[in-house]
Formats: sequence, C-alpha cells, structure tokens
Amino acid sequence: RKEVEQDPGPFNVPEGATVAFNCTYSNSASQSFFWYRQDCRKEPKLLMSVYSSGNEDGRFTAQLNRASQYISLLIRDSKLSDSATYLCVVNKGVGNFNKFYFGSGTKLNVKP
Amino acid sequence: DTGVSQDPRHKITKRGQNVTFRCDPISEHNRLYWYRQTLGQGPEFLTYFQNEAQLEKSRLLSDRFSAERPKGSFSTLEIQRTEQGDSAMYLCASSPIMTGLTYNSPLHFGNGTRLTVT
Repeated sequence: RKEVEQDPGPFNVPEGATVAFNCTYSNSASQSFFWYRQDCRKEPKLLMSVYSSGNEDGRFTAQLNRASQYISLLIRDSKLSDSATYLCVVNKGVGNFNKFYFGSGTKLNVKP
Repeated sequence: DTGVSQDPRHKITKRGQNVTFRCDPISEHNRLYWYRQTLGQGPEFLTYFQNEAQLEKSRLLSDRFSAERPKGSFSTLEIQRTEQGDSAMYLCASSPIMTGLTYNSPLHFGNGTRLTVT
C-alpha cells in the first residue's frame, strides 16, 4: 500500500468554480502535512502547510482529519493560473529519521 | 538568489556513461534530500542527509547510484553505467531542523536536473 494516495484526476473545472481534492495517508504516526503545486516540467513549490485546526490562505483552505487519515485542499473561485498538479505530502519525523512521502498528484485544469 | 540550486539543468548522456549532478542547498538548512520524478508520478525518495551524514538510502536505489555531502554543504549524486530507465527529473530539496516543535519544516526544492539517457 502506498504511503500517500491521491486521485490523479484530471479535474476539469470552469473559471470561478470551487474544487476540492482529497488525499489519504497510511501511517497514523505521520506528523506534518503539506500541499505542493507543480507546474509542467517544473519543480514542486510549497502551496501551504496543513495544520490540525485547518488553515486558510486566500482562496485556498486545507483541512486535516487525523482520525480518518486524510487531508483536503479546497480552492475557491478558480483561476486559469491554478491549472497545475497538486501534490499531497506527508512527513514522518522522529529524531534523525525524517522522510517526506509524496502522492502522485492531482491534475487540475481550469477552463475559461 | 538564496534558494536551492542544481546543476546542470539538463543532461543528455549515452547509455553506459557516468553522470554527476550537484545540489547547493539553502545555506542554513541541515537536511538535504534527493528525489527522482518520472512523468505522471510524484517525487520518489532516493536518499537523505543530515549535515554530512547520509541517514537513509532508498532500497529502490541500485548500487549504481551514490550520493555524497562531504562538508555538510553541497551534495553530489552520481549515477554509474546509466540505463535508459534512469531517465527522469532528479530533484534536490533542503529543509532546516526545527527543534522544540512537534511539526517539521517543509522541503524547498531546486529546479531539478532533467536526465535523458539515449
């Protein structure tokens, strides 16, 4: 079983739509959670960290459900520039053992 | 620019040749990671350094792959006797150690080195 699983999509949505992605992780000992954005043939860039209480950054809202072991990302009022692949990342860090596990990504296409 | 720097950006090599990539992390970051990414997949963990110590190496990594971080600053990743299956984007990332916290700082990625083995 993969450490992190995501729906690969693609999600095709019109401009202005609200879209949500989910991600599940397998290890309950996971400590830190992130969403990254990756444009085609570019490196991943941090979109936002995900905190237990949930957090918002402009049009983006991230939620963490530890009991069900899933993370979500909500994008409101989608823009054409939001078209990208969104990677869910889970970190297990205990002392010197510190690894980041990536999902395969969810592709978002925002259409005019 | 004080971000993570990788060199070269692109490398085309013939099967059987050796290649070496370099990564310069953000200067105050103790942790350095190498990942490999192929089309349609998320980054796959290769190896991880904390300062100069290589703390973990993926069992997916064959003996043809070796990485070093001799002075705890820049790192190199060498692939010997390259194979066509090694064609991928090789990503380096760094992060600081956060002490006294229950969460970890995210990774900061370089632009990557795109390897094509012909």
